[in-house]
Amino acid sequence: DTGVSQDPRHKITKRGQNVTFRCDPISEHNRLYWYRQTLGQGPEFLTYFQNEAQLEKSRLLSDRFSAERPKGSFSTLEIQRTEQGDSAMYLCASNYDYNEQFFGPGTRLTVL
Amino acid sequence: AQTVTQSQPEMSVQEAETVTLSCTYDTSENNYYLFWYKQPPSRQMILVIRQEAYKQQNATENRFSVNFQKAAKSFSLKISDSQLGDTAMYFCAFMNAGNTPLVFGKGTRLSVIA
Repeated sequence: DTGVSQDPRHKITKRGQNVTFRCDPISEHNRLYWYRQTLGQGPEFLTYFQNEAQLEKSRLLSDRFSAERPKGSFSTLEIQRTEQGDSAMYLCASNYDYNEQFFGPGTRLTVL
Repeated sequence: AQTVTQSQPEMSVQEAETVTLSCTYDTSENNYYLFWYKQPPSRQMILVIRQEAYKQQNATENRFSVNFQKAAKSFSLKISDSQLGDTAMYFCAFMNAGNTPLVFGKGTRLSVIA
């Protein structure tokens, strides 16, 4: 296993469309995190999972956002009815208990 | 809620020189972890160094070291013998002892000049 992977790396969509991103964590990692990073800012927490359980959701995660981690493996983040304000880099990270978080390369979303 | 402040949006340093990036944080917790992450242009975030708050000794990793002042809630990163490959965004981050998600600062863009 070479690290956290994310797919797609880039996504361009029109306002109002739905998009789904995938994250594959490092295989033995039980925790998986989603962050959003806008230009010139640090990453902001969206939600995280321990195994398949979603433990916390940020107030940034509106009703249009949903995340899943079936079977505690990969995770998906779906955004419904995208808005221009959703344009950002979506980062996934994983770790095992109290160890460092390893980040994926991110999915850059552009909403036209 | 915890907050992390990086007051230097941009810095530059000559190759082989030393540079210090500043970070302050606010928390009411006593046990926590602090991190410096590096994000090179168009590349993914990687961990540079971590510090456990219960440890008094400052962490070091080769050319990277921290000055952790718990009472002052300050956590600066010193990069010695700067190299061109150190050019990147540097983020200071906080995690409480419950292994909760990271809280990041806004970052400092470091440019190493030949």
